[in-house]
Amino acid sequence: GESVGLHLPTLSVQEGDNSIINCAYSNSASDYFIWYKQESGKGPQFIIDIRSNMDKRQGQRVTVLLNKTVKHLSLQIAATQPGDSAVYFCAEKNTGNQFYFGTGTSLTVIP
Amino acid sequence: ETGVTQTPRHLVMGMTNKKSLKCEQHLGHNAMYWYKQSAKKPLELMFVYNFKEQTENNSVPSRFSPECPNSSHLFLHLHTLQPEDSALYLCASSESGRVYGYTFGSGTRLTVV
Repeated sequence: GESVGLHLPTLSVQEGDNSIINCAYSNSASDYFIWYKQESGKGPQFIIDIRSNMDKRQGQRVTVLLNKTVKHLSLQIAATQPGDSAVYFCAEKNTGNQFYFGTGTSLTVIP
Repeated sequence: ETGVTQTPRHLVMGMTNKKSLKCEQHLGHNAMYWYKQSAKKPLELMFVYNFKEQTENNSVPSRFSPECPNSSHLFLHLHTLQPEDSALYLCASSESGRVYGYTFGSGTRLTVV
């Protein structure tokens, strides 16, 4: 079965620093990946995605890196702000068009 | 608001009660999903509907009964639940057959007492 995991369940960073959240996936056939952000009391919200034919994609203050060799995905947040405090999930899509989610990393930004 | 609205936001029910969760989307999507989110566990897919037809039931106990009267509305009927069913129940929608991710609602926090 699918296994999507995160290296650390919690992460604390100082406001203004960069954050890196990691995710390992198990299915080498997965062809599409998404990072979601979930704030307290809300549902997961799309942040950024990447297809398997890319190794890097940048958004506003966020960058996703994909290393297919080691089946690793990371989310980098530049100049982390208090509003970035949330749980971050990675999700992978296999060829069957179903998404599998990780357990999440809780990011806390210290003012 | 994400365009996917779930009601109620919070629900407390006894094990002998019958209740329903409601999800509504105004995004023009034709696929809808129910997920269960428990503490420290990955999101668990429960049901998938495409064009109002159920296309996936992920071995969900029969005490959970979904209903999709049209592409914009999805219900989850609950009866004789167990305390371990307490969780956040998330509804999501997407364009059927497209590769893109889902739009989630804010969820219903269910507590079974």
